[in-house]
This record gives sequence, C-alpha cells and structure tokens, in this order.
Amino acid sequence: TQLLEQSPQFLSIQEGENLTVYCNSSSVFSSLQWYRQEPGEGPVLLVTVVTGGEVKKLKRLTFQFGDARKDSSLHITAAQPGDTGLYLCAGAKSGAGSYQLTFGKGTKLSVIP
Amino acid sequence: NAGVMQNPRHLVRRRGQEARLRCSPMKGHSHVYWYRQLPEEGLKFMVYLQKENIIDESGMPKERFSAEFPKEGPSILRIQQVVRGDSAAYFCASSPVPTDYGYTFGSGTRLTVV
Repeated sequence: TQLLEQSPQFLSIQEGENLTVYCNSSSVFSSLQWYRQEPGEGPVLLVTVVTGGEVKKLKRLTFQFGDARKDSSLHITAAQPGDTGLYLCAGAKSGAGSYQLTFGKGTKLSVIP
Repeated sequence: NAGVMQNPRHLVRRRGQEARLRCSPMKGHSHVYWYRQLPEEGLKFMVYLQKENIIDESGMPKERFSAEFPKEGPSILRIQQVVRGDSAAYFCASSPVPTDYGYTFGSGTRLTVV
C-alpha cells in the first residue's frame, strides 16, 4: 500500500512569513501533484511534477520533487491571507493504474492578516 | 460547461435509504473518477469509468455501492441502504484521456446520513 505523509498537519503563520510543507513516502511515484482545497469545495490542481529533482514555480509558490521521486515540498514566500486553505499532495504510481491517485491527508494552512 | 458539475451539493438521507450522486464531466472528457473524503482523512479512490464501461472499481466497497456512466447523461454513484459511515464528501473528477497528470475535480456532494 502506498502512503503519503504530509507535514505539518496544521500551520498558522502571520502574513508575510515564508513556509514550507512536506509530502513524504517510501514509495516511488511516476508523478506527484499538489492541490489546494477550500472549505466546501473540491481540490484544485496547482502543479504536477514528474521528473526527479524537478522544481516548478507558480508565482510565490515553489514546488520540488525529490531526486528519488518519493517526496516533494511546497514553499510559499511572503504568505498572504488568500493562501489559506488545505494543501494536498497526491501521487500516481507507475504503470497500470497510474490514473489512481494516492492522497495525503493534507496540511491546513492559516495565514493571519 | 465551466467545469465538472456535481449535484446535489448537499444530500441528507436517513439510514436505509438510497443516495444517488450525479457527475457531469467537462465537455470533451470521457473519463470519470470518483473519490471519497471521510472526515479528517485524505481522498480515497473509488472507481474509474469511461462511457458505458467500468474500468477499475477496486476502491469501491463490495456491497451497496455501484457506479455507472451511460452513453447519454451524467455519471451516477449509487449507494443503497446508506449507513452513518457513508457520511462523507464524494468528489468526481474528469479527464480527456486516462492520465496521471492531474484532474479537474467537481465541488463535491456532501452526504449526511442521519
């Protein structure tokens, strides 16, 4: 069974601070995706990383895929209240059934004005 | 079609009743995936369907749950004789081809069994 552990589970920071959240597994994934979910809504895809060591930037968000494709991190620079939400990572396994995502439980981020 | 449409957004059922959850994929998407999110848990894969075919139902409970995606109309997730443990948010996602590159999810149906 593939598991994704996300840490921290909860994070509360002041506006303007930087933060990093982590997504770790003992399994190798063909791709890893980050989603943000707001209360009462579905997850919204932020980014997909597929190559070990890959770094992608989306404005103030920087995503990194580990060299061994087992882990990933999300770094937010100068957090804003609009960044508040639940951040989920999801991994796709290699080969048959790669459409089936394994989700972590998420990091709930609160950015205080 | 602005995105993946799910209805109803909220559904309350008494124990023993049936729940029907509907999902209309994005225009041009013929692949539909259902996930369930239990309180304080991550999303769990339930079933993957193409038009008129169930491709993978390995995540579906063996009893009381079924899914379909007819040639015309939305995909339906059906839960018979609901129990309290079925209370959860059910999300549908779609894609134009089978993919591991990320989905577009709907807003979900929140099922409450009383």
